[in-house]
Amino acid sequence: GENVEQHPSTLSVQEGDSAVIKCTYSDSASNYFPWYKQELGKRPQLIIDIRSNVGEKKDQRIAVTLNKTAKHFSLHITETQPEDSAVYFCAASNFNKFYFGSGTKLNVKP
Amino acid sequence: DAGITQSPRHKVTETGTPVTLRCHQTENHRYMYWYRQDPGHGLRLIHYSYGVKDTDKGEVSDGYSVSRSKTEDFLLTLESATSSQTSVYFCAIRDRESEAFFGQGTRLTVV
Repeated sequence: GENVEQHPSTLSVQEGDSAVIKCTYSDSASNYFPWYKQELGKRPQLIIDIRSNVGEKKDQRIAVTLNKTAKHFSLHITETQPEDSAVYFCAASNFNKFYFGSGTKLNVKP
Repeated sequence: DAGITQSPRHKVTETGTPVTLRCHQTENHRYMYWYRQDPGHGLRLIHYSYGVKDTDKGEVSDGYSVSRSKTEDFLLTLESATSSQTSVYFCAIRDRESEAFFGQGTRLTVV
C-alpha cells in the first residue's frame, strides 16, 4: 500500500517568513495530492490540492509543487501570519484509498 | 460544510465492551472512510467503503469492523474495545477524484 512521509514534524517561523513542508509517497499510481489544515480541536480542512498532470499550483499565499518522477510534493506558505499556526497534513490518493502523512505542526511567531 | 455527521461526539467505554461509531452523510458521495488520529501518527486509515456493502481494509484495521448497508451510513465497530483504541476517530466522505470532507470527530476513551 501507499506510504506517505512528511517532514518536518514541527516548524517554527517568524511572522512574514516563508514555510515549506515536504512529503514523499511510494505508490506511483497515486494521482491526487491534497493538503489539509487542522486547527486545534477542529476537523481537517482542505487548503489546496494538485493532480498528477500538474507540476505546480498557487492560491494566494499558498503553493504546492509536485515532482512525480521523484515522488515528492511540497507545500509553500509565503508571508506567514499567526493564523497560519495549525497542523498541516499532506495526503496521497489513487482513486479509492486516501493516505495521510503524520502531520507538521506550524507555529508562526508574531 | 459538507453534510457529514458523526455520532456520538464523545464516548467513554470499558475495556472488552463493543462500541459502534456512526457516520452519516447527506451528500450521496460514493466513498466513505474511517481514520483514527493519534499524536505523532497523523491520520491513519482504518477501513473505507466504495459503495453499499463494498468495503476494504486500511493500514490499521485489526480490531475494527465496518458496515455500509445504505449509501448515507458507514458504521465502525470495535468488537471488544482495548485501551490502545483510545483515540479521536474521523469519518470522511468523498466523491470520485475530489477532496475529502471530514466529520467533526469522535473522541473515544477506553478505560
